[in-house]
Amino acid sequence: EDQVTQSPEALRLQEGESSSLNCSYTVSGLRGLFWYRQDPGKGPEFLFTLYSAGEEKEKERLKATITKKESFLHITAPKPEDSATYLCAVASSGSARQLTFGSGTQLTVLP
Amino acid sequence: DAGVTQSPTHLIKTRGQQVTLRCSPKSGHDTVSWYQQALGQGPQFIFQYYEEEERQRGNFPDRFSGHQFPNYSSELNVNALLLGDSALYLCASSLSGIAGDTQYFGPGTRLTVL
Repeated sequence: EDQVTQSPEALRLQEGESSSLNCSYTVSGLRGLFWYRQDPGKGPEFLFTLYSAGEEKEKERLKATITKKESFLHITAPKPEDSATYLCAVASSGSARQLTFGSGTQLTVLP
Repeated sequence: DAGVTQSPTHLIKTRGQQVTLRCSPKSGHDTVSWYQQALGQGPQFIFQYYEEEERQRGNFPDRFSGHQFPNYSSELNVNALLLGDSALYLCASSLSGIAGDTQYFGPGTRLTVL
């Protein structure tokens, strides 16, 4: 059974204070790892897809990296508008068409 | 380019009733997946529809059923509602449900069961 664990559960940063969110995963053959951003009461907004260890993707202040066991979402010089819940999900060979999600990291960036 | 749309936005039902939620996929997508998200949790996979058939199902009872129409839009039906069915219901679309393909989510329908 695929498992995804995200840490920390919650993170408070000062504006400009860089940090990283962790996503540990256990799957039977990774077909894709996905990062989403979710604002309260809204649907998840797609950020990145990573397919294999060593891959990196970047968008504005966010950078996603991946190893064979975990993925990191690095946030550089965050702004208050980056405050949201960040979700990590995996698709595996065993359950190719469904995404298995972690519980998310709730990020708050203080001005 | 229209994204994934869902209706209604909010819905209030009582225990034992039945509900139908609707979803239109992103332009160019032909696969629709449904997820249930409880407060403070990640989304849980309900099922996926492709070519008007249920292709994969998560650990949800038969009270949850769905349908996909020729225009790729989809419905989620829940019968005999329980208090525990209160959640945000999310629809996601993708292209042909290719394993590892990115799924794009709609805004969700907030269902409250009283």
